Amino acid sequence: EIVMTQSPATLSVSPGKTVTLSCRASHSVASSLAWYQQKPGQAPRLLIYGASIRATGIPPRFSGYGSGTEFSLTISSLQSEDFAVYYCQQYTNWPPYTFGQGTKLEIK
Amino acid sequence: QVRLVQSEAEVKTPGASVKVSCKASGFTLSLFGFSWVRQAPGQGLEWVGWVSGNSGNTHYAQHLQDRVTLTADTSTNTAHLELRALTSDDTAVYYCARVGADFGDYIHFWGQGTLLVVSS
Repeated sequence: EIVMTQSPATLSVSPGKTVTLSCRASHSVASSLAWYQQKPGQAPRLLIYGASIRATGIPPRFSGYGSGTEFSLTISSLQSEDFAVYYCQQYTNWPPYTFGQGTKLEIK
Repeated sequence: QVRLVQSEAEVKTPGASVKVSCKASGFTLSLFGFSWVRQAPGQGLEWVGWVSGNSGNTHYAQHLQDRVTLTADTSTNTAHLELRALTSDDTAVYYCARVGADFGDYIHFWGQGTLLVVSS
């Protein structure tokens, strides 16, 4: 099983700032990496797939980087609606799919 | 409009079984697959399994494979999750989510979630 490790667990950042979230895979997943955003009481929402491709309707302030085992999600000019929990997930064609434990982005 | 609408919340006693449904609209079920993901209260996301809407092939999380069955009914455009021998550890919100018809695809979008509470 591929273990996904996100860091940090919590980030406190002021609106308008830029933040980078990290995700590491225990084995290479090439570019089979997605990022999801989840707000309280809501289902997750796809942000990024293929490590760096923004999903439909996702603003350009969200950027994904990386391949292999090291990945990051950068959010620039943080807006109030961006404060949420972010999960990475690997989806290589060998089960199981696995998620990181999440990074909570909170307002400073 | 593409949507996944899940069945209502369930309360079950330990040892019982539950079946959660996920009605797809706006797309043809047989062209896609469905992953099921659960989230225990205050916890992260846990993958439960995948079913192909095309072939009916499945993959399950190893620790659940003896208790879970995923199906996709193309006649009703509905995916189902059945979980048996419930324990309190199964208390969670269960999400269905659309993925590719072949295993190895990201989650395109998610249903609204179904809360399952297992309690005596």
